[in-house]
Amino acid sequence: SQQGEEDPQALSIQEGENATMNCSYKTSINNLQWYRQNSGRGLVHLILIRSNEREKHSGRLRVTLDTSKKSSSLLITASRAADTASYFCATDSYILTGGGNKLTFGTGTQLKVEL
Amino acid sequence: KAGVTQTPRYLIKTRGQQVTLSCSPISGHRSVSWYQQTPGQGLQFLFEYFSETQRNKGNFPGRFSGRQFSNSRSEMNVSTLELGDSALYLCASSLGTITEAFFGQGTRLTVV
Repeated sequence: SQQGEEDPQALSIQEGENATMNCSYKTSINNLQWYRQNSGRGLVHLILIRSNEREKHSGRLRVTLDTSKKSSSLLITASRAADTASYFCATDSYILTGGGNKLTFGTGTQLKVEL
Repeated sequence: KAGVTQTPRYLIKTRGQQVTLSCSPISGHRSVSWYQQTPGQGLQFLFEYFSETQRNKGNFPGRFSGRQFSNSRSEMNVSTLELGDSALYLCASSLGTITEAFFGQGTRLTVV
């Protein structure tokens, strides 16, 4: 089952603008990861934020995590046409699963960056 | 460093047949997980192996099975294929636990 929802489901912006995607989840987590997927291909890991972190940066990416609200956001600054893809958040609830790796994915946001 | 390799990339099978998919993780990664992606259900966790042991299993019927070899390579098998098994099957490898997962390009399975 899906861990939660991503909002918006689809987002269309112009090149150079910022894109913000939100993710909500349901259970306690150890970390939250963001992935990008181009046209039904494999997932590319973007960033991991641990449950005791509130904000993390990587290049043009900024991720925030609010565990009290069970939500996270991904900000892509100065978007480029090459950023066009689907973006997924995934939560890792290691303690709850009793050990091992198990990612629970959100529903994804389809981002389209137009020239 | 080579990434996660999945073979084959595309498969077409007939209902009732069985299929085996292969995944070679990043060198040094001992955890391999499998996921199914469909338009209707999204990304769903199938199972995870670590050092040849299944540590986690998702909510899939027993027709879905897997294994991991001593070199960390993993295979998943689906028996008695159904039309609903048509999906993109993704494999991910991780160095340990609660670390980044790196995905392969996936195997696109079509059941006709």
